Amino acid sequence: DTAVSQTPKYLVTQMGNDKSIKCEQNLGHDTMYWYKQDSKKFLKIMFSYNNKELIINETVPNRFSPKSPDKAHLNLHINSLELGDSAVYFCASSQDVVYFGPGTRLTVL
Amino acid sequence: DAKTTQPNSMESNEEEPVHLPCNHSTISGTDYIHWYRQLPSQGPEYVIHGLTSNVNNRMASLAIAEDRKSSTLILHRATLRDAAVYYCILLNAGKSTFGDGTTLTVKP
Repeated sequence: DTAVSQTPKYLVTQMGNDKSIKCEQNLGHDTMYWYKQDSKKFLKIMFSYNNKELIINETVPNRFSPKSPDKAHLNLHINSLELGDSAVYFCASSQDVVYFGPGTRLTVL
Repeated sequence: DAKTTQPNSMESNEEEPVHLPCNHSTISGTDYIHWYRQLPSQGPEYVIHGLTSNVNNRMASLAIAEDRKSSTLILHRATLRDAAVYYCILLNAGKSTFGDGTTLTVKP
């Protein structure tokens, strides 16, 4: 009965690889997000989608590409991973209150 | 984008009330004031939100200044499980930016 789920929970990979993180919400919300939390615990919004349409794209490298196949899913694909991409990535959805997923800890070696 | 500022850390004794302040002097008329907290190794979770009037729920109370340029999250009786990072954010039409938050330590 998880409201916002994301997979995988942990992701360890080498520099230069391409990886994807999947997110699904079963709340019927129109808006979904991706946030990045770095080692200093600062939460920064990366993308926001409303009904499968991109509405916010903060200053994020082009290597990061969100894809929303339907309203309930927002996946994050990352090309050519770099050391600085190591962080915890949170998916979230909202109608008025924001519900966060459990996070994906990405470690780039 | 409107920003929020919070103290980096606060301490409280167990079973005492805690008042967590937040300044948002550039708030716009349509920004909702939301509070979230993040327990260790978990995603942020919703605590409370409001627009102009004070709000109460089972977790906490939210006191909003008359000019809306500041707000205070009130935990009436802190427990050890309330130790977390508390974020005050402004939400408007899907846009939100989390600040650094306040790390609350609860001492037994």
